[in-house]
Order: sequence, then C-alpha cells, then structure tokens
Amino acid sequence: NAGVMQNPRHLVRRRGQEARLRCSPMKGHSHVYWYRQLPEEGLKFMVYLQKENIIDESGMPKERFSAEFPKEGPSILRIQQVVRGDSAAYFCASSRSRGSHEQYFGPGTRLTVT
Amino acid sequence: SQQGEEDPQALSIQEGENATMNCSYKTSINNLQWYRQNSGRGLVHLILIRSNEREKHSGRLRVTLDTSKKSSSLLITASRAADTASYFCATDGSTGNQFYFGTGTSLTVIP
Repeated sequence: NAGVMQNPRHLVRRRGQEARLRCSPMKGHSHVYWYRQLPEEGLKFMVYLQKENIIDESGMPKERFSAEFPKEGPSILRIQQVVRGDSAAYFCASSRSRGSHEQYFGPGTRLTVT
Repeated sequence: SQQGEEDPQALSIQEGENATMNCSYKTSINNLQWYRQNSGRGLVHLILIRSNEREKHSGRLRVTLDTSKKSSSLLITASRAADTASYFCATDGSTGNQFYFGTGTSLTVIP
C-alpha cells in the first residue's frame, strides 16, 4: 500500500524556467493538499483540490502558480517563470475526506532556483 | 493568522528524559494533529486529537488539548536519539479545507 508519492524529489531550475511538481495521492484518497516550506519555517498551505476541482486556493500566489488534479493521473503544481524566492520544499498531502481525517504527506520536492 | 505556534522553538535533552512541547492556536478547531519531520524529509503523522477530547496516548506519546486556552502539548516519554526531529502541530481551522502549521519545535536528544 504505497504512500503519497511525489516526483521529482529534487528539481533545479534557472530563473524564468517552469517547474512542474507531481503528486500521486494514497490509494483511495481523493483529496490533495499542497504546502510550501521555506527553510527554517513551518508548512504554509497553498491549495486544496479534489478530483477535477480546486476547492480552496487561498494560499496560492496570485501569479505564476497553478494547480490541477485531473480525473486521471497525478496532481500537478506548476510554477511558471520561477524566481529565486520560489526555492523551497513543496509537500503534497492526501486524505480520504476533508476535515477530521489526518493528512498523509509525501516526501516532498525540493526546488532550487539558480 | 490562524497559524499555531510551538514552544519552545528548540529543545535539547538527554536520552531517557521526557520532552514536552507546546502549541497554541488562535481560532476554533475541529481537530489538532502533531507531526514529526526529520531533517530534509517529509512529515510523519503522529497523533490526531479531536476538539472534544482532552488527552490521547500513543506509545510513548501523550497529547493533551485545552480548547479553552487554545493550546495543546506533546509529551514524549523516555526519549531516544531517534526522536531527534522537528515537531509541528497543525490545526484544521473553521473550514476544514486546510491545515495550519506552526513553525515547529526542534528537538535534539543527546545519546
């Protein structure tokens, strides 16, 4: 029973390039959450998705960031025209339902923008 | 901000001692969870406590919740070197759509 999977684990991009981060939730989970963790800080919520729907994107920067969770395939967090400030660890979590159930986290993708 | 805050920010103890970490939050919650994060790794779920519960145990972990004070504590008894990690509390807030994480307590257990 595989846990939440994220790839790539490490991603290096130059300023101005695009970064695509993938997240496959646990089997049976249809709720996906993306978080960003800057060095020495806690996790900050970015976006909450269910299959084919964005439920809450209140933590997403207004520009350059987008997320999707298609009917088939993993959830994708896309960052266009990356800047150095985007360097962080991006974690995906999944849950069976929202609210009272714990979220299971993936190992994260460490994005470095050079 | 609804973000929780852990206290202390860092804690260093000898192996075998108990470690206590505290978390305070600002708004009403449905549940509160504690997570562990080893350096450079993802988060591992430790324990969930619901708003109508006051105390919960799991192995060497004991979590308390005081909703009147909007605070929770995590106690690790008989600590081991392998417990060295950062510990975060997370609250679900009023919508249940997201979890708010504190900045974490960095625990070092000295063998």
